[in-house]
Amino acid sequence: GQSLEQPSEVTAVEGAIVQINCTYQTSGFYGLSWYQQHDGGAPTFLSYNGLDGLEETGRFSSFLSRSDSYGYLLLQELQMKDSASYFCAVRYNFNKFYFGSGTKLNVKP
Amino acid sequence: DTGVSQNPRHKITKRGQNVTFRCDPISEHNRLYWYRQTLGQGPEFLTYFQNEAQLEKSRLLSDRFSAERPKGSFSTLEIQRTEQGDSAMYLCASSIDSFSSGNTIYFGEGSWLTVV
Repeated sequence: GQSLEQPSEVTAVEGAIVQINCTYQTSGFYGLSWYQQHDGGAPTFLSYNGLDGLEETGRFSSFLSRSDSYGYLLLQELQMKDSASYFCAVRYNFNKFYFGSGTKLNVKP
Repeated sequence: DTGVSQNPRHKITKRGQNVTFRCDPISEHNRLYWYRQTLGQGPEFLTYFQNEAQLEKSRLLSDRFSAERPKGSFSTLEIQRTEQGDSAMYLCASSIDSFSSGNTIYFGEGSWLTVV
C-alpha cells in the first residue's frame, strides 16, 4: 500500500519562508509531486522530483531524498495568495498517483 | 487547449437517484483519472483509463459506481442509487503516457455532488 504523512496545518507571515515536509512509504516509487489547491478550486501542479535533490521554480522549491523517503516544498517570500492547501503526491507503478491529506497554509499579514 | 473540462460543476440530487458526470480531458492525453475529494482530505483515487481501457478500479469504488471512456476521448462517471456518503467533489485528471511528461496530471475544476 501507499502512505504519506504531511502536517495538517502551517501558519506563517507574509514575506517569510515556510517548509512543508512529506514522508512516504510507497512500493514502485517513481517520484514526488506537489499540488496547490485554493478553497473551492482544483489542485494545480507545482513541481515534481524524480531524482534526489532540489528543483526550483520561482518562489517555490521542492526537494527529494529517495533514501530517506522524504521530500519537502519550500515557499519563499510568502504572499497572501499562497494561502491554500498543499498536497504531496507519490507517483508509483509508473502511472499511478497517490495523494496525501494536505497541509493547509495560512499566510498572515 | 482549454484544459480538462468537467460538467456539471454542481449537482444536488435526492438519495436514491442516479447521477452522471462527464470529463473531457486535454486532447492529446491518453490517460484519464477519476478522484474523489471530501472536505479537508486529499484526492482519493477511484479509477483510471489508458485510452479506452479501464486499467484499475479502487476497492473503494462500490458496484454503484461505473466509469466509461468510449473511444478513448471523454469519460463518464455514473453513480447509481446515490447515498449521502457519496457527497463529495469528483475530480477528473488527465496525463500523457510517458515517463517524463507523465509526471504531471492535470485536474479539471471538479464536479460537486450533494446528496440530500
